[in-house]
Amino acid sequence: DGGITQSPKYLFRKEGQNVTLSCEQNLNHDAMYWYRQDPGQGLRLIYYSQIVNDFQKGDIAEGYSVSREKKESFPLTVTSAQKNPTAFYLCASSIRQGYTQYFGPGTRLTVL
Amino acid sequence: DQQVKQNSPSLSVQEGRISILNCDYTNSMFDYFLWYKKYPAEGPTFLISISSIKDKNEDGRFTVFLNKSAKHLSLHIVPSQPGDSAVYFCAASFNQAGTALIFGKGTTLSVSS
Repeated sequence: DGGITQSPKYLFRKEGQNVTLSCEQNLNHDAMYWYRQDPGQGLRLIYYSQIVNDFQKGDIAEGYSVSREKKESFPLTVTSAQKNPTAFYLCASSIRQGYTQYFGPGTRLTVL
Repeated sequence: DQQVKQNSPSLSVQEGRISILNCDYTNSMFDYFLWYKKYPAEGPTFLISISSIKDKNEDGRFTVFLNKSAKHLSLHIVPSQPGDSAVYFCAASFNQAGTALIFGKGTTLSVSS
């Protein structure tokens, strides 16, 4: 069964701690993306990657970091520098950049 | 500056009637448009897309219309069902330029029985 998995579904973090959100896909897609959703804000792009070992900042990259060491995986680290990290985080992938994106189920991060 | 706008935050429709969700864009270079449906606490699900070389694309109860001169697209759902109640996002891209999709802020559709 092909798809995108994100783990965990819910994540709690103490203020000042870094946390890494997992995203894995077995669709053989080249491009992967991270979005953040806040109420009334739609989907805002954090980072994206077109190929392994390459990634670009999106609209709201400050306080986040990513890596793309494998085609299947694109983990997102929310650092302590991110001022408002509580949000719903969505990972997506597409055959290549600009084409239909398919989304994972999301991770709800809450900073206590 | 928003390049993709969904000016209606919400829409309420009765079951069996038509739902029309609207989306406007500002960049005439967009050449691929998509609609996604999202339930709370879940990832968006791809619904339907349209290339700029077409003005209509249909898939079952869902039809997307594209008016390039007006820089406007719409999603029609006929007939609407209570299970269609969700947030609908419009998105656009430049296929050749290698950029990510640009999303609107979404419209919440409520279908009452």
